[in-house]
Amino acid sequence: AQSVTQPDIHITVSEGASLELRCNYSYGATPYLFWYVQSPGQGLQLLLKYFSGDTLVQGIKGFEAEFKRSQSSFNLRKPSVHWSDAAEYFCAVGAQSAGKSTFGDGTTLTVKP
Amino acid sequence: KAGVTQTPRYLIKTRGQQVTLSCSPISGHRSVSWYQQTPGQGLQFLFEYFSETQRNKGNFPGRFSGRQFSNSRSEMNVSTLELGDSALYLCASSYVSGGPSTDTQYFGPGTRLTVL
Repeated sequence: AQSVTQPDIHITVSEGASLELRCNYSYGATPYLFWYVQSPGQGLQLLLKYFSGDTLVQGIKGFEAEFKRSQSSFNLRKPSVHWSDAAEYFCAVGAQSAGKSTFGDGTTLTVKP
Repeated sequence: KAGVTQTPRYLIKTRGQQVTLSCSPISGHRSVSWYQQTPGQGLQFLFEYFSETQRNKGNFPGRFSGRQFSNSRSEMNVSTLELGDSALYLCASSYVSGGPSTDTQYFGPGTRLTVL
């Protein structure tokens, strides 16, 4: 069965500082991996996705993620965080059909001025 | 292109009642998935519909059901509501042409269901 672990429940960073959110997955084959962001009271917005190919994936809002098969990880990074990045971030793994995805428990990001 | 829309946005029901939530996918998208989001359980997959057929199903009791219409719009129904059904119900649509690059899910804003 597929599973996703986001080890950090809550992270606080200063505005302008770099950010890395961790994600570890368990899946028997090559996974389809996603990062989503959710603002309070809103649905999920896709930041980026990995299906195959280049292991460094660029997304929207200046985010990137790196797929490391040997570590079963797909960590999300941003070089300089903006106050508007404060939100909850979810990592997800999907099977061949992305219609069924398994989500991590999320990481809440707080940005200090 | 309009995004995924869900109606109603907020709903209050009492235990034992039933409820129907609606989801209109992005135009041209044929797959609709439903998720339940709660503080305790996080995001959990309910089911997925594709071309009016249920293609995948999560681990939820039979009180949770859904359907998809020929225009790809989907509804989910919860019968005999329990307090634990209070949650944000999210709908997501995807294109599904057969290639993985198109199987990206786009989420609606959700329906916040409160069961009293």
